Amino acid sequence: DAGVIQSPRHEVTEMGQEVTLRCKPISGHDYLFWYRQTMMRGLELLIYFNNNVPIDDSGMPEDRFSAKMPNASFSTLKIQPSEPRDSAVYFCASRRQGGDNQPQHFGDGTRLSIL
Amino acid sequence: EDQVTQSPEALRLQEGESSSLNCSYTVSGLRGLFWYRQDPGKGPEFLFTLYSAGEEKEKERLKATLTKKESFLHITAPKPEDSATYLCAANAGNMLTFGGGTRLMVKP
Repeated sequence: DAGVIQSPRHEVTEMGQEVTLRCKPISGHDYLFWYRQTMMRGLELLIYFNNNVPIDDSGMPEDRFSAKMPNASFSTLKIQPSEPRDSAVYFCASRRQGGDNQPQHFGDGTRLSIL
Repeated sequence: EDQVTQSPEALRLQEGESSSLNCSYTVSGLRGLFWYRQDPGKGPEFLFTLYSAGEEKEKERLKATLTKKESFLHITAPKPEDSATYLCAANAGNMLTFGGGTRLMVKP
């Protein structure tokens, strides 16, 4: 079975540019999570969706960040405008229904560098 | 506020030298404690879920245990391929709070 697929794997862009990160969850999974990982703060939850609906976005750092899930197979995380402090590895994860102790399965991340 | 703390931050072992990693948590209404393994350039890979104090789970050279305040990941006779960062995460209802991880290096 295919795992969680993220694209691009690496992104380097200049400050002020718009950045769009993409995620395809595992088929049949109803929950989708976006995380950010940095050396200083570790792995932090940004937002999660259930059945394509955003449930909790309290981890989204600022209004410059937005996330959408137009269908069960696709989600985007957008940063506009980007800033150097947004540089991090961004992970997408998904899990199935059946209790909140179902494990989350992670993609391999997008390494984002804002110059 | 939910908190998860892992120690040590880094651990160097010789091949075959057994040890334990610690995960301390302060979480209201814990619904489960997860362990993940993360290799460089990869996403975290699920290892175990523990639900209640006293529970133990094993996979190859790894055994995870849970008390009311801590979880331990015991590594028996590790091999170089066990080198990775090990993350624990507490579940308090759909949302995982991760610890900072322990970077394990096993030398041949």
